[in-house]
Amino acid sequence: AQSVTQPDIHITVSEGASLELRCNYSYGATPYLFWYVQSPGQGLQLLLKYFSGDTLVQGIKGFEAEFKRSQSSFNLRKPSVHWSDAAEYFCAVGRYSSASKIIFGSGTRLSIRP
Amino acid sequence: DVKVTQSSRYLVKRTGEKVFLECVQDMDHENMFWYRQDPGLGLRLIYFSYDVKMKEKGDIPEGYSVSREKKERFSLILESASTNQTSMYLCASSISGTHSGGNTIYFGEGSWLTVV
Repeated sequence: AQSVTQPDIHITVSEGASLELRCNYSYGATPYLFWYVQSPGQGLQLLLKYFSGDTLVQGIKGFEAEFKRSQSSFNLRKPSVHWSDAAEYFCAVGRYSSASKIIFGSGTRLSIRP
Repeated sequence: DVKVTQSSRYLVKRTGEKVFLECVQDMDHENMFWYRQDPGLGLRLIYFSYDVKMKEKGDIPEGYSVSREKKERFSLILESASTNQTSMYLCASSISGTHSGGNTIYFGEGSWLTVV
């Protein structure tokens, strides 16, 4: 079975600063990896996902993530955050043909300092 | 545009009541999900359905049941609500297929349930 850890519960960054949200996973094979974002009071929306190939994945809203197999990590980055990026971010890990086996991390809440 | 609609955004129910949470998707997706979201615990899968009338227990099915009579509709039922079921409930759907573990999951906006 796979697992996913988001070590940071809450992060505050200044508007315009860079951002990195950490995600570590555990899975025996190459996983499917996702980042979802949840704005206050809303459902989750996919930011980006990794299947295979290029380890640097581009997503929506200027986000990117890098898959590092040696570190079992899939960290989310953005070069310059905007106030509208304040939300909760979830990393998730899935495996080949099992939609029901997608595991979500506990989330990282991002606050933006004006 | 893709749409998963949860009929009730906010509900307040009494302990022991039977509660129905309804969800409809308009994407002709085979897979549908009910998750529970609690602070610090992320999303936990309650039930999964991969086809009409087909269901699979998730990580926390106790105290819940589901119904899927039509492809587009997936209902979560709390037979006898208890205070520890106060939570945010998220319905979702995804397309099936060989790589279904890697397919995007589309979420509804959530239903906030308070049991008093």
